[in-house]
Amino acid sequence: AQSVTQLGSHVSVSEGALVLLRCNYSSSVPPYLFWYVQYPNQGLQLLLKYTSAATLVKGINGFEAEFKKSETSFHLTKPSAHMSDAAEYFCAVSRDTGNQFYFGTGTSLTVIP
Amino acid sequence: DSGVTQTPKHLITATGQRVTLRCSPRSGDLSVYWYQQSLDQGLQFLIQYYNGEERAKGNILERFSAQQFPDLHSELNLSSLELGDSALYFCASSVTGTGKETQYFGPGTRLLVL
Repeated sequence: AQSVTQLGSHVSVSEGALVLLRCNYSSSVPPYLFWYVQYPNQGLQLLLKYTSAATLVKGINGFEAEFKKSETSFHLTKPSAHMSDAAEYFCAVSRDTGNQFYFGTGTSLTVIP
Repeated sequence: DSGVTQTPKHLITATGQRVTLRCSPRSGDLSVYWYQQSLDQGLQFLIQYYNGEERAKGNILERFSAQQFPDLHSELNLSSLELGDSALYFCASSVTGTGKETQYFGPGTRLLVL
């Protein structure tokens, strides 16, 4: 079985500070990994994804994530937080076999002016 | 705008009732997914369809059922509703439904069971 764990349900950063949202996965084989963002009263939107190509993945809005197989991690980072980054962030994992999609419990990001 | 539409946006009903949620995928997408988002359970995958056929099943209750029609729109039927079914229900779509594809999410249907 595969699953994904997001450490920290709430993260607060100052505007301009580094954003680091943590995600660890458990999977018997390297999975596909995703970060989605959900703004209030909206659906989820893809930030970036890892599909076994480059381990450092760049996404929209200045976000990036690095796939580290040895640490089974896929942490999301952004060098400088902006007020508009305040949202809920979800890490997700999937595989071709079974085609199920597992989401983490989400991390709510607050950006302090 | 993801191109995925869901109706209705809000639904209020009573326990024991039955409701139908509708989803239209993005143009060209053959696969549809349904998710339930609640405060206590988080975002749970319910079921996936590809070109009219069920492809994968997640944590979907027996009281819930879904189908995808020839025009590729999908409906999620929730019956014998309980208070705990109150949640946000999302539909997503992707081109062929493989694991590495991006899923495009609709705005959701907020269900309140009283």
